[in-house]
This record gives sequence, structure tokens and C-alpha cells, in this order.
Amino acid sequence: GIQVEQSPPDLILQEGANSTLRCNFSDSVNNLQWFHQNPWGQLINLFYIPSGTKQNGRLSATTVATERYSLLYISSSQTTDSGVYFCAVRARGGSNYKLTFGKGTLLTVNP
Amino acid sequence: NAGVTQTPKFRILKIGQSMTLQCAQDMNHNYMYWYRQDPGMGLKLIYYSVGAGITDKGEVPNGYNVSRSTTEDFPLRLELAAPSQTSVYFCASSYLSGTGDQFYGYTFGSGTRLTVV
Repeated sequence: GIQVEQSPPDLILQEGANSTLRCNFSDSVNNLQWFHQNPWGQLINLFYIPSGTKQNGRLSATTVATERYSLLYISSSQTTDSGVYFCAVRARGGSNYKLTFGKGTLLTVNP
Repeated sequence: NAGVTQTPKFRILKIGQSMTLQCAQDMNHNYMYWYRQDPGMGLKLIYYSVGAGITDKGEVPNGYNVSRSTTEDFPLRLELAAPSQTSVYFCASSYLSGTGDQFYGYTFGSGTRLTVV
């Protein structure tokens, strides 16, 4: 099956700093989503982005499907951005409607 | 509030006991999923359903069963609890695009933390 690798596994920032999280995948995809899991465990869908670029406030994401990677940018980070960020994909040609998740990037934003 | 509701939030089971984790969504989503999350391992798919009466195995189905008698409900059954099933369980749902080739609106429940002792 498709492999999803996220980097870095851990990241510590001071409030106000910018960061870039990366997601590499081993096969062509037609669905890619980014999720944020807050320190209380709740998972929130951030972006549906199988290709191109999207922005939502301080967060933006870019997927270069031909090179099999996606980037999540966090600008002017805040302590509330802390948590785990997951990338999840569905392989192109996949016969079922499910996502494969990476192991995540643990982000800690210190005040 | 619209969304995915999971119960219970916490549970401790003894080895060999059985239980059902409840999941309900009120968004009329076609697709529903059960994941387990172990520390540092991301989310692994246990079972999923593409509609009422239709279920299929995910990556780690052993020791679990599901049913989907209605669009809204997707319970997960543990028959003989084992310590290896200690984990956090998440239910999720999504809907199918109008063209039928993509799914959107992935929404997770708040999770059930299960400990088997």
C-alpha cells in the first residue's frame, strides 16, 4: 500500500516563529488532507488539498502531486497551534474510500 | 451540535470482557470509519462502511466487529478484550462527492480511551 512519511517528527518553536511541515508519499494520490490533533486529542480537518495551494488564515498548504509531497506552512505561530499535525492520503486508483495516515509531526509552541 | 458523537469517553475493561463503542453522526454522511491511535503510531484503520448494510475491513480488523444498520450509527464491538487493544479509538465520517469519485468533510469524534487490564 501507499506509504506516507512526515517530517520532522518533532518541532519546538517560540511563539511568533514560522514553520514548515512536510509530507512525502510513495504513490500518486487523488486525495490529500491535513489534520490537527490538539493536546486534548480532538482531530480537526485543516485542508483538503490533492494539488495546488490553499490558505486559511495563518495556515497554508501546498501539494506538488507530480513530485509526491505536500507542505503545511504555519506563520506567526501561537501556543494554540501546539499538537500533532497529520497528513493523510488516498492513492490514485484506490478502490476504496479511505485515507492512509502518516505518523504525524508533534509541534510545541512555547510562549 | 452537528458532528460525530462517540461514547463512552473512557473505559477500563478486564481481559476477556466485551464491550461496544458507540458512534453516531448527524451530517447524513455516507462513509464512516473506525481508527485506533497508539502512541507515536498515527491512526490505523480498523473497519469502514460506505453505507448502511455495507462494511469492510481496514488495516487492523482482528479482534473487532462492526455493523451499520442505519446511516447514522456505526458501533464497534470488542468481543474478547486483550491488552493489545489498549488504545484511543476514533470514529469518523465523510461524504461522497456528486461525481462519486471523491470524499470530503472528514469529521472525527472526540475519541474513546480504552484500557484493558
